[in-house]
Amino acid sequence: KAGVTQTPRYLIKTRGQQVTLSCSPISGHRSVSWYQQTPGQGLQFLFEYFSETQRNKGNFPGRFSGRQFSNSRSEMNVSTLELGDSALYLCASSSLRRDRETQYFGPGTRLLVL
Amino acid sequence: GESVGLHLPTLSVQEGDNSIINCAYSNSASDYFIWYKQESGKGPQFIIDIRSNMDKRQGQRVTVLLNKTVKHLSLQIAATQPGDSAVYFCAENGGGADGLTFGKGTHLIIQP
Repeated sequence: KAGVTQTPRYLIKTRGQQVTLSCSPISGHRSVSWYQQTPGQGLQFLFEYFSETQRNKGNFPGRFSGRQFSNSRSEMNVSTLELGDSALYLCASSSLRRDRETQYFGPGTRLLVL
Repeated sequence: GESVGLHLPTLSVQEGDNSIINCAYSNSASDYFIWYKQESGKGPQFIIDIRSNMDKRQGQRVTVLLNKTVKHLSLQIAATQPGDSAVYFCAENGGGADGLTFGKGTHLIIQP
């Protein structure tokens, strides 16, 4: 069974731009969660989608948003990029809601904001 | 604030020795714990999990111990190999809307 895939793997943007990242979960998984990973803050939860609905959201500004499609694929969008948004963005999927099942991570998208 | 932490940011062990990575958590309501391994340039990889109704769980060369009395979690890796070099994260489920909360990680270095 294929694992979680994320595209693109690397991205360079400038301040003020916006970016969209994509995640395809493991086949059959309905929950997709997004995390931001930085050296200083570690892994921080962004939001979770389950059956196309955002079920939970972490403590991030409204510039961070996401959505999930009927095939469980998910996208996250960051608008008006700031230098501090440079990070590894990780997507994780689980078969049920993430707090009840093990989450499996993708390789991440490394975003650099200049 | 950070509810899950690790005692050491870096741990260096000799190849072939056993490693013990520790983690302390603060949420008494947490009932599910996971250890992840993250190699450079990759996403976290699931290693082993344990629920609060257990004290110990074993996998292939790995053992997770849970001490709910002192809110302590540990990962034991037997006969460490060069491929075990990575950052190890513990994560807990506190049962709230945030779901899993991750610690900052311990970097395990295997010395030849």
